[in-house]
Amino acid sequence: DAKTTQPNSMESNEEEPVHLPCNHSTISGTDYIHWYRQLPSQGPEYVIHGLTSNVNNRMASLAIAEDRKSSTLILHRATLRDAAVYYCILYSSYNTDKLIFGTGTRLQVFP
Amino acid sequence: DVKVTQSSRYLVKRTGEKVFLECVQDMDHENMFWYRQDPGLGLRLIYFSYDVKMKEKGDIPEGYSVSREKKERFSLILESASTNQTSMYLCASSVRTGSYEQYFGPGTRLTVT
Repeated sequence: DAKTTQPNSMESNEEEPVHLPCNHSTISGTDYIHWYRQLPSQGPEYVIHGLTSNVNNRMASLAIAEDRKSSTLILHRATLRDAAVYYCILYSSYNTDKLIFGTGTRLQVFP
Repeated sequence: DVKVTQSSRYLVKRTGEKVFLECVQDMDHENMFWYRQDPGLGLRLIYFSYDVKMKEKGDIPEGYSVSREKKERFSLILESASTNQTSMYLCASSVRTGSYEQYFGPGTRLTVT
C-alpha cells in the first residue's frame, strides 16, 4: 500500500491561511489523494480529494504537485473550529475501497 | 445529511465477555467498514462489507468477527474480549462506486478490564 508522510503537528493563528503538506513519493497512476480531518471526540470527516489537477471546495483547496509526489491542503482562513488532526490518504478503487490512515497532522489554531 | 450512528459512545466490558458493537447508516450505502483507532497508530481497518451477508478481512481482523444481515446495519463482534482490544472503534459507510467519501460515525470507546 502506498504511504504518505505528514508533519506531526502544525500551528496557525486564527484567520491566517494554513498550508498542510503531504509527501507521497510512491503514488501510482490510479491513486487519488484524499484528505480527511478528525475534530476532537468525533469520527473523521471527508475534506477534499483530487487526482492530478488542483481542486477547490467550500472547505479547502488541494494543490497537487506536477509529479504528484506531494500535495498541500490549504485552509484559506483558519478558524478555531479547524483545529483537528488532518489525514492525507492515497485511495485506489483497485485496492478494495479501503482508506489507509496514517497518524496525520495535528493542527492547532490560536486566537 | 448522511447519518452513521453507533449504538454506544462508551462501553466497559470484562475480559472474556462477548461484545457487540452496532452501526447503522441511513443512506442506503453498499459499503460499510469497521476501524479501530489507537494513539500513535492512526486508524486501522478491521473488516469491511460490500453488500448484505458479504464481508472481507481488513488489516487486523484477528479476534473480531462481523455480521451484515441488513444493508443498513453492520455489527462488529468481539467473541472473547481481551484488554488489548481496549480502543476507539469507528464505523463508516460509502456508496459502492462513483463516490470516494466515507462517512464516519462518532465512535465507541471500548474499555476491557
